[in-house]
Amino acid sequence: SQQGEEDPQALSIQEGENATMNCSYKTSINNLQWYRQNSGRGLVHLILIRSNEREKHSGRLRVTLDTSKKSSSLLITASRAADTASYFCAFMDSNYQLIWGAGTKLIIKP
Amino acid sequence: DVKVTQSSRYLVKRTGEKVFLECVQDMDHENMFWYRQDPGLGLRLIYFSYDVKMKEKGDIPEGYSVSREKKERFSLILESASTNQTSMYLCASSTLGTSRPGGMNTEAFFGQGTRLTVV
Repeated sequence: SQQGEEDPQALSIQEGENATMNCSYKTSINNLQWYRQNSGRGLVHLILIRSNEREKHSGRLRVTLDTSKKSSSLLITASRAADTASYFCAFMDSNYQLIWGAGTKLIIKP
Repeated sequence: DVKVTQSSRYLVKRTGEKVFLECVQDMDHENMFWYRQDPGLGLRLIYFSYDVKMKEKGDIPEGYSVSREKKERFSLILESASTNQTSMYLCASSTLGTSRPGGMNTEAFFGQGTRLTVV
């Protein structure tokens, strides 16, 4: 099945800065989800945004969805060392298949 | 606290061995999934199940089988382990949430992962 595309593949920023990760897809979607994975661990769900929504917030996280551009972004504001992890987007296509991106590795430097 | 528990964090097996990876969830979820994760490839779906004794092939089912005898338990079986099955294996569960079995339009809960090495 088709993979979502995430960029950048890796991102290294100073603590306190904002981090932005992007996800693009090629098909129509039902929803798009973002997950975090700490090194060597399972994935933790962050946010689900439905195809009829444009923006969602959860604490320091902000997710936007632009269905016309077939893209989504995850913004982490005021980053902390504990935000160091890999971040994955996953979108559910019209066949209810969940398609995963390859992930963005985020490193927060103290 | 909701939980998906995988039986092992690390496993080392020999080529040709039969390997069982167990996953248990305590959330009464209908859907359960097995993924493998390899660097640069994201998560790839091996099998999923939307009900007891039901199973559906994912993207890469070859060399694997699954068993769901009870709602809370979903087992992944490597019939004859090979070195190319060395990987991180992730189990997940979710509520049904959609008219299509296996759909994940609610959040998924993941286990901590099993890193399998086949030598």
